[in-house]
Formats: sequence, C-alpha cells, structure tokens
Amino acid sequence: DAGVTQSPTHLIKTRGQQVTLRCSPKSGHDTVSWYQQALGQGPQFIFQYYEEEERQRGNFPDRFSGHQFPNYSSELNVNALLLGDSALYLCASSEDRGNQPQHFGDGTRLSIL
Amino acid sequence: GNSVTQMEGPVTLSEEAFLTINCTYTATGYPSLFWYVQYPGEGLQLLLKATKADDKGSNKGFEATYRKETTSFHLEKGSVQVSDSAVYFCALSGFSSNTGKLIFGQGTTLQVKP
Repeated sequence: DAGVTQSPTHLIKTRGQQVTLRCSPKSGHDTVSWYQQALGQGPQFIFQYYEEEERQRGNFPDRFSGHQFPNYSSELNVNALLLGDSALYLCASSEDRGNQPQHFGDGTRLSIL
Repeated sequence: GNSVTQMEGPVTLSEEAFLTINCTYTATGYPSLFWYVQYPGEGLQLLLKATKADDKGSNKGFEATYRKETTSFHLEKGSVQVSDSAVYFCALSGFSSNTGKLIFGQGTTLQVKP
C-alpha cells in the first residue's frame, strides 16, 4: 500500500520563477493538505483541498495556489518566487471523516537562488 | 489564537535514559492532540494521538496523556535508543472552526548517545 508520494524530491529555482509541486495521496484518502516547513521550524499550514476545492487556507499570499484532481492527487503552485520561499514543502492526506490523522509524504525541498 | 509550545532542544540523552518532552497548547473547543516524528531527510510520521481528555496515546514505547486541566500533552519514553534520535513535533487539530488542519509546535530535537 503506497503512502503519500511527492515529486520532485529536490528543486532549485531562481527568484521570480514559478514552480509546481505534485502529490499523490495515500490510497483511500480524499483530502490533501499542504504545509511549508522552514529550516528548524515546525510545518505551517498552507491550504487544504477536498472534492477538488480549496476548503481552508492558512496565512499565505495569493502567490500560493493549488489544485486537486478527480483522482484526489494535488498540485501546489508558487508564482514570483522569493528567497524566503526556500523550504521543505510537505503534502499530507487523510480521510474526510471525523478527525482522522494526516499522513505525510517525504516532501519536496525547494531552494531559491 | 490556537498554538502549541514545546520545550526547546536539543535534548541529549544516553541510551536507556528516561525521556520527557513537554508540550502545552492553547485552543478553543476540544482539540485532538498528536505527536509526529521526523527522521533526517524524511517527512513526518504519526507517532501517537489522543482525541479527548484523559486519553493516553501510545506507540513503540512512547506515550502521552491528554491533560485538559493543564492543557498539556507531554511525550514520555522509559528507555530511549539511539534509533530514537529525531525531531519530535507536538500538534493539534479539530478545534472549533477548522477542518482538520494541524497546528505544530516548533519541534524538539532528540539526540541519543550510545
């Protein structure tokens, strides 16, 4: 049973560029959340997708956007990259019933030069 | 607002020592509480959880009890191993007006020496 998978593993971009990160949820999960983890910090919630719609959003600018597909996979897009966007981006999936625990992928390490 | 506070690290212990990592929270409603562990270069793994007051979560020798009166969820293990070296995150979710998003503490690094 495959867990949450993310791609790519690492990515290097320059300021002003755009990036797309991808996530496939654990089998049986229909909800996908994205988190940003800066070095030495705890993950910060970006947004959550359910039924192909953004259900909740954290305190991140509109440069961060996302999408969920009918097969529940998801993308995170970041436009006009800033140096401060350098971080580990984590995808988590869960079942939408009650307070189910979230299962995390290994993340995408994004470095901005 | 809703938040989680963990003891600062790093915590350095010898193998077979007793471990406590403190975690306190502030939340509206009745949150669920979690401990996640992150090994180097990896994502977060759920270690244990508790969904209501006085619940005790346990896994792999680790345990934590949901204390509503002290708003705490301290992580304990009776005898740590070198393989327990990792970063530990306390988190909460399920408080009012949310849909399961997790709020994390800043993490506590545990180093266990042979």
